[in-house]
Amino acid sequence: KQEVTQIPAALSVPEGENLVLNCSFTDSAIYNLQWFRQDPGKGLTSLLLIQSSQREQTSGRLNASLDKSSGRSTLYIAASQPGDSATYLCAVRPGGKLIFGQGTELSVKP
Amino acid sequence: GAGVSQSPSNKVTEKGKDVELRCDPISGHTALYWYRQSLGQGLEFLIYFQGNSAPDKSGLPSDRFSAERTGGSVSTLTIQRTQQEDSAVYLCASSLVASGGGSSYEQYFGPGTRLTVT
Repeated sequence: KQEVTQIPAALSVPEGENLVLNCSFTDSAIYNLQWFRQDPGKGLTSLLLIQSSQREQTSGRLNASLDKSSGRSTLYIAASQPGDSATYLCAVRPGGKLIFGQGTELSVKP
Repeated sequence: GAGVSQSPSNKVTEKGKDVELRCDPISGHTALYWYRQSLGQGLEFLIYFQGNSAPDKSGLPSDRFSAERTGGSVSTLTIQRTQQEDSAVYLCASSLVASGGGSSYEQYFGPGTRLTVT
């Protein structure tokens, strides 16, 4: 059974710091991995999607990497800003559905 | 429309009543997904549609839950005889297709329906 784990569960950093969020999954048989952002009381916003054949994807200050063989992905956020404060979720797709981790709650202090 | 829309945004119902939740996917998206987010369980898959067919309904927690999709567009999730443990945020997502790779699989989520069963 595929399980997705995110570490840490919560993270607080001062503005301007670079940070890394971690995601691990138990079964490497996935089509892709998707990182999302969720603001309190809101739906999910897709940040990056990495295909199983890719190693990384970049969008602005965000960079996501994927090591499928070891079952790991990281989301790197450069020069963090208070507006980055949210919960970040990773999800893997073994078939049609997504399987989510529990999320990392990020707080960026001004 | 510009994105996935869901209605109602909030629903409070009494235990034992039936509820219907609605999802309008992004125009042209053939795949539609339902998820549930609750405090203790995180985000869980319920069911997905490719067109009007549901290839995977493995996440539906009991036979009180059902979903349908008509015309390859709007979907409704119905919960019969609601229980307090059904209280959660129900999220809908859509994608261009449900299988294969590429960005056409990327799922886009709606704002959710917060269901409270009293």
